[in-house]
Amino acid sequence: KNEVEQSPQNLTAQEGEFITINCSYSVGISALHWLQQHPGGGIVSLFMLSSGKKKHGRLIATINIQEKHSSLHITASHPRDSAVYICAGSNTGNQFYFGTGTSLTVIP
Amino acid sequence: DVKVTQSSRYLVKRTGEKVFLECVQDMDHENMFWYRQDPGLGLRLIYFSYDVKMKEKGDIPEGYSVSREKKERFSLILESASTNQTSMYLCASSLRTRAGGYTFGSGTRLTVV
Repeated sequence: KNEVEQSPQNLTAQEGEFITINCSYSVGISALHWLQQHPGGGIVSLFMLSSGKKKHGRLIATINIQEKHSSLHITASHPRDSAVYICAGSNTGNQFYFGTGTSLTVIP
Repeated sequence: DVKVTQSSRYLVKRTGEKVFLECVQDMDHENMFWYRQDPGLGLRLIYFSYDVKMKEKGDIPEGYSVSREKKERFSLILESASTNQTSMYLCASSLRTRAGGYTFGSGTRLTVV
């Protein structure tokens, strides 16, 4: 079993829809990361959070430490949001635990 | 703009060849990492380095070695490439404190034939 589990694995949405990707973790972490990877491209860090909620444009990330759960929300989704979204946990020992990613396709 | 640069986007090598993947960062980061990414398995850590000339094995170091002679450069070496090393390889760097999180390179897709 992975230390970090994401759901769903694949997601297709219509442009404009509200999207939620979920992440659960079973190990102790000090920070939770949301990463974005476009096809054939590198990985961009979207958020790093240890509590509460962060917002950047149409993206919102939340974390519930007691439940060991985080969500990434995309409001008013757009085809350019199509990418793989990866959840990762890190601890103070610089160890990272990666989820296997959620592949999002937004259809015009 | 801060960057992690990987020397090649696509690489095709023959079985048994020695392969060098180069990674350079311009952020004065202490930590550097090499991952491979495979479908259904996510990112797996091969090696990491906390400082010049220091290296630590990750989860899947077999068949790989690394070199960090300068702070900004971290090289991944496949001593004798095999077909099961066909993968996407990603380099990343971070400050020692990880205060700014990770910065990833754009990846090298290696095919071993």
